[in-house]
Formats: sequence, structure tokens, C-alpha cells
Amino acid sequence: AQKITQTQPGMFVQEKEAVTLDCTYDTSDPSYGLFWYKQPSSGEMIFLIYQGSYDQQNATEGRYSLNFQKARKSANLVISASQLGDSAMYFCAMREYTSGGYQKVTFGTGTKLQVIP
Amino acid sequence: GAVVSQHPSRVICKSGTSVKIECRSLDFQATTMFWYRQFPKQSLMLMATSNEGSKATYEQGVEKDKFLINHASLTLSTLTVTSAHPEDSSFYICSARLTGAGNTIYFGEGSWLTVV
Repeated sequence: AQKITQTQPGMFVQEKEAVTLDCTYDTSDPSYGLFWYKQPSSGEMIFLIYQGSYDQQNATEGRYSLNFQKARKSANLVISASQLGDSAMYFCAMREYTSGGYQKVTFGTGTKLQVIP
Repeated sequence: GAVVSQHPSRVICKSGTSVKIECRSLDFQATTMFWYRQFPKQSLMLMATSNEGSKATYEQGVEKDKFLINHASLTLSTLTVTSAHPEDSSFYICSARLTGAGNTIYFGEGSWLTVV
């Protein structure tokens, strides 16, 4: 079973509009963390936002916010006021402890976002 | 912010040789580092979790003897691709988590390996 599911392989958004990138997850670890990363065509991974499983409020970082719905196991990324520079691949990731007692981070398949002028 | 550096950023090696990729946390200590592999236009695939002072934990399907991981200090982890073959050509990227505090995992710039 997929641990992290991103159902949108590609998305288009008009410049200055808001866009939501979907992410659902599956874990039995009660203490987990969720991340969103941006990967431009150059390849580097850029951290955007983090949400802990016990955090009461949704995380926000500038134009990025994470819509965390714990019961539904979803952690959607909302980008407000899209900019042309936001065009990139976006990955949702989850950090959890395995039954073997070690920590691991797994990634979704990514969503390619293209911002249209 | 925290920086993770990978070296080399690009490497070409001959089939059958070994190549080492370094991952350094420049301004923080990292007891745990992660090694990923990414094929073109695909997601990151976790290869192994590297813990300082102990053996790495490999994901299912990853050959331990082929992808040697060493985490000798709190700031350095290395991935050695042994007896490289053309199918090992890929983008390898490491990440490190702040020790004891912070929830952010920082990534290196990645290393492009081409085996000819």
C-alpha cells in the first residue's frame, strides 16, 4: 500500500491565483510528521512547510499553508497568489517510525505545477 | 538556514569501478541521514537510513553490498556505489535531520551519476 499518495500528476494555475495540491497518507505511527518540498528543474529539494501529527493548528509559511485533516489523513498544500517561479515539482513526504524502531521518510510521486502568466 | 552539501554534484565513471558520494551537514549535527535515488521525472526512492555510529538500515530491494553507506561522524555520511553498471546511472540525493531539535529535514543538492 502506498504510504503517501499524490493523485495529481500535473496541475495548471493562473498567475496570482491560489492552488491546492493534494496529499493523503497512511501510517500507524501516532507521532509522525508531514512535509512539502519543491523541486525546480535544477533538481535541488527546497523545504516549504512542516506539520506535526500533534500540532493543533495548520502550519503556514508565507504563501504556503498546509490544510491538515488528521481524521481524513490528508495534508494538502495551498499556495496563495501563485507566481511564475512556483512552477516546479512538488513532493509530499512523511516521517514516521517503523516497527523496527528506526525513522524513515517516504515521498509521494509528486505533482508538477505549472503557473500560467 | 541549515545547509547540507553533497559532493560531487556530477560524476562519470566507467562500468565496473566504484564511486563515492559524500553528504555533509555544514552547520548542524545530524545523527540521521537519508539516501535517495531519483530516476528522471519520478519520485524520490528511499534507499537507506544512515545512523551515526551504526549500520545503515536499507529499504527492501536495495543491495547492501552494492550501495555501501557509512556514517562515520555527525556531519558526514557517504554512499559508495560499488562495481557500478550503466543501470546505476541516476540522481542520488541525501538529506539530514537536525539532531535533538527541529522538525525539518534538509536536502543536499544531489549528485548525478553516469556510468559509461
